[in-house]
Amino acid sequence: DGGITQSPKYLFRKEGQNVTLSCEQNLNHDAMYWYRQDPGQGLRLIYYSQIVNDFQKGDIAEGYSVSREKKESFPLTVTSAQKNPTAFYLCASMDSNLYEQYFGPGTRLTVT
Amino acid sequence: AQSVTQLGSHVSVSEGALVLLRCNYSSSVPPYLFWYVQYPNQGLQLLLKYTSAATLVKGINGFEAEFKKSETSFHLTKPSAHMSDAAEYFCAVSLRDDKIIFGKGTRLHILP
Repeated sequence: DGGITQSPKYLFRKEGQNVTLSCEQNLNHDAMYWYRQDPGQGLRLIYYSQIVNDFQKGDIAEGYSVSREKKESFPLTVTSAQKNPTAFYLCASMDSNLYEQYFGPGTRLTVT
Repeated sequence: AQSVTQLGSHVSVSEGALVLLRCNYSSSVPPYLFWYVQYPNQGLQLLLKYTSAATLVKGINGFEAEFKKSETSFHLTKPSAHMSDAAEYFCAVSLRDDKIIFGKGTRLHILP
């Protein structure tokens, strides 16, 4: 089955700890994205990557970091500098021929 | 710059009634337009897409949307609501580049 996997589904951390969210795709897509979703605010773009070893900041990159060492993988690190990290995080990849984004199941992060 | 406005953060319809979710867009060039659906604690799933081939687009689960350039609208409809349609729906616009801009979402409630 082709698709995007995110792990874990639920993640709990103490304030002040960094945490890394996993995103893997086997769709052979070049572009990958991280979004944050909060109730009533839709999807906000954190980071995106169009190609391996390259990535760009989105609208709300502060307090987050990413890497893109492999085409299949685009992990997101939520650092202790992120003031309000509790949210639902969605990873996506894009079919560049169709301009369609495909989403993973999401990771719900709770920081207390 | 492109943008998307979804009218109504919550819409309630009775089971069997017409579903109408409103979306207006702003774009400087002919856009691609999308509707995505999100069930609770899941990722987004593509419902349908407009690419300029036809103004009336049919999607999955009996949904369709009509592109109206004069009104800059792309409203989503379904003739008869089913309980399983309860979800959040996102309208999105792409300029056929590396990003998709999402609306803030409309949560659809189905009344028995």
